[in-house]
Amino acid sequence: AQSVAQPEDQVNVAEGNPLTVKCTYSVSGNPYLFWYVQYPNRGLQFLLKYITGDNLVKGSYGFEAEFNKSQTSFHLKKPSALVSDSALYFCAVRDLGGFKTIFGAGTRLFVKA
Amino acid sequence: AAGVIQSPRHLIKEKRETATLKCYPIPRHDTVYWYQQGPGQDPQFLISFYEKMQSDKGSIPDRFSAQQFSDYHSELNMSSLELGDSALYFCASSSRLAGGQETQYFGPGTRLLVL
Repeated sequence: AQSVAQPEDQVNVAEGNPLTVKCTYSVSGNPYLFWYVQYPNRGLQFLLKYITGDNLVKGSYGFEAEFNKSQTSFHLKKPSALVSDSALYFCAVRDLGGFKTIFGAGTRLFVKA
Repeated sequence: AAGVIQSPRHLIKEKRETATLKCYPIPRHDTVYWYQQGPGQDPQFLISFYEKMQSDKGSIPDRFSAQQFSDYHSELNMSSLELGDSALYFCASSSRLAGGQETQYFGPGTRLLVL
């Protein structure tokens, strides 16, 4: 069965510092992974996705994510955090041969000025 | 713990027919979001409601409409169905009363097939 875990409910980072939001997954086949961001009172917005190819995927707003097959992880990263990055971040996974997308529980990111 | 309920779980319709999808949020949740995920595509945000009023709008076609009722359940109405409407429709609910940034809890989805 597919599953995705975001082990941290909340991540606190100072502005200008690098940030990492963690995600691990479990699928029976090849994974299709992505990250979404939710700003207050808004629907989810797509950030980036991984299907195949380079393990480092670049997305919107300067975010990137690193796919690690051996660790079954897909951590979201940004070299220098901005206060405006403060939001809820959702990791999601789908088996490439499947249909349904499974979302993680979300991680709150707080970036302090 | 109660989760988001969506009905029906599966629905088969023909072109030009109408369909109504229902979403029952977690008790005491005041906000509902609708997402569409087509085959091989990423989930796309359609529309959201807070306290029975539309709060945000995404890529929802004009043929679709939605509303949130007094008991906070929501219905997505789809008319003049097209083959391309075949997708998995997710509903999510959250509570803004708790303050801060709310977490969305997703339902299992309704799989719509248009023939």
